[in-house]
Amino acid sequence: DQQVKQNSPSLSVQEGRISILNCDYTNSMFDYFLWYKKYPAEGPTFLISISSIKDKNEDGRFTVFLNKSAKHLSLHIVPSQPGDSAVYFCAAGGGGSEKLVFGKGTKLTVNP
Amino acid sequence: NAGVMQNPRHLVRRRGQEARLRCSPMKGHSHVYWYRQLPEEGLKFMVYLQKENIIDESGMPKERFSAEFPKEGPSILRIQQVVRGDSAAYFCASSPTSGPRGDTQYFGPGTRLTVL
Repeated sequence: DQQVKQNSPSLSVQEGRISILNCDYTNSMFDYFLWYKKYPAEGPTFLISISSIKDKNEDGRFTVFLNKSAKHLSLHIVPSQPGDSAVYFCAAGGGGSEKLVFGKGTKLTVNP
Repeated sequence: NAGVMQNPRHLVRRRGQEARLRCSPMKGHSHVYWYRQLPEEGLKFMVYLQKENIIDESGMPKERFSAEFPKEGPSILRIQQVVRGDSAAYFCASSPTSGPRGDTQYFGPGTRLTVL
């Protein structure tokens, strides 16, 4: 039972354009959501998070949008840079538990 | 300020041997989490510990796996009698406080376990 889903295993974008990574969840008890970035042979690096009381959070080139009614969130990266090429994981937590539930990841490739 | 440290980075074991994975949290962090990533999968929660206490082990396999976080020293994830299916990347994360702020979980570089 996959509670956090990232349906696109990969995404390819041209440098300078917008990258949009999507994530869906099924558990209505989740009350915070995070995006992590991961390079090969490294641990995940925290990027940005959003609480369920908000619908948008912005940090530089990264913006996360949350649509609670649709149980959907997205990460926008603009403008995309070649250094953004990595696997991006969506994660969710809450409901009285400290654990994070991760999606399977989306591999983003930003072409120069 | 050193980040989360994990060692070894790579560990090779034969079937039936024991694997010990170590995690030193960031300075000032008293909460440790272990996650496992199988090939082509996301990270799966295994266990959450505070000093000398296991808080949530709902993701731990019932047999062969154990974890501890002693008063002194690193957290240890121990896998007894390893099987090929245990081959995975094991990540440790730490956080300074508990509460609904998952962005405080900082991950180490992981230990890649290969079982021959």
